[in-house]
Amino acid sequence: RKEVEQDPGPFNVPEGATVAFNCTYSNSASQSFFWYRQDCRKEPKLLMSVYSSGNEDGRFTAQLNRASQYISLLIRDSKLSDSATYLCVVNTNAGKSTFGDGTTLTVKP
Amino acid sequence: EAGVAQSPRYKIIEKRQSVAFWCNPISGHATLYWYQQILGQGPKLLIQFQNNGVVDDSQLPKDRFSAERLKGVDSTLKIQPAKLEDSAVYLCASSPGDRSNSPLHFGNGTRLTVT
Repeated sequence: RKEVEQDPGPFNVPEGATVAFNCTYSNSASQSFFWYRQDCRKEPKLLMSVYSSGNEDGRFTAQLNRASQYISLLIRDSKLSDSATYLCVVNTNAGKSTFGDGTTLTVKP
Repeated sequence: EAGVAQSPRYKIIEKRQSVAFWCNPISGHATLYWYQQILGQGPKLLIQFQNNGVVDDSQLPKDRFSAERLKGVDSTLKIQPAKLEDSAVYLCASSPGDRSNSPLHFGNGTRLTVT
């Protein structure tokens, strides 16, 4: 079993749609959680951290459920520019970052 | 601030040859990481340095891969000899420290093709 698991998709949605991605992790001692975005043939870039109480950044909302070891990302009012691969990342207290394999999103006109 | 610098951007070699990649992290970042990303997969950690010491190299294939960060700043990753399955993007990342809530800053990566 992988340490961090994501639904690979692909998710194909029309502009303006709401889409949600899920991620589960196996290490109950994990400390910090992030979503990264990776465009085709580019490096991953931090999208947002995920806090225990949940957090929002514009059209993006992240949730964490420590009991179920589950993280989610919700994108509202999808834009064409949101098309990318979204990577779930889990950190240990030693700063080791483990990545999921990513979920691919394509937003169509 | 200047980002993480990596070179070369692309490298094509034949199997059994050797190759080396270079990374210069963001100034002041104590932690440096090398990741391997195979097409269709997420980045996989090869080695993590804290200053010039190794924190985690449990997934580094030590029979062929080596990495060093001698002065606690820039780093090199070497593969000798290369195999076909080493074809991947090698990503270097840095972060300010070893705290669990420090996000990573990635370089552009080196795309390696082994033929």
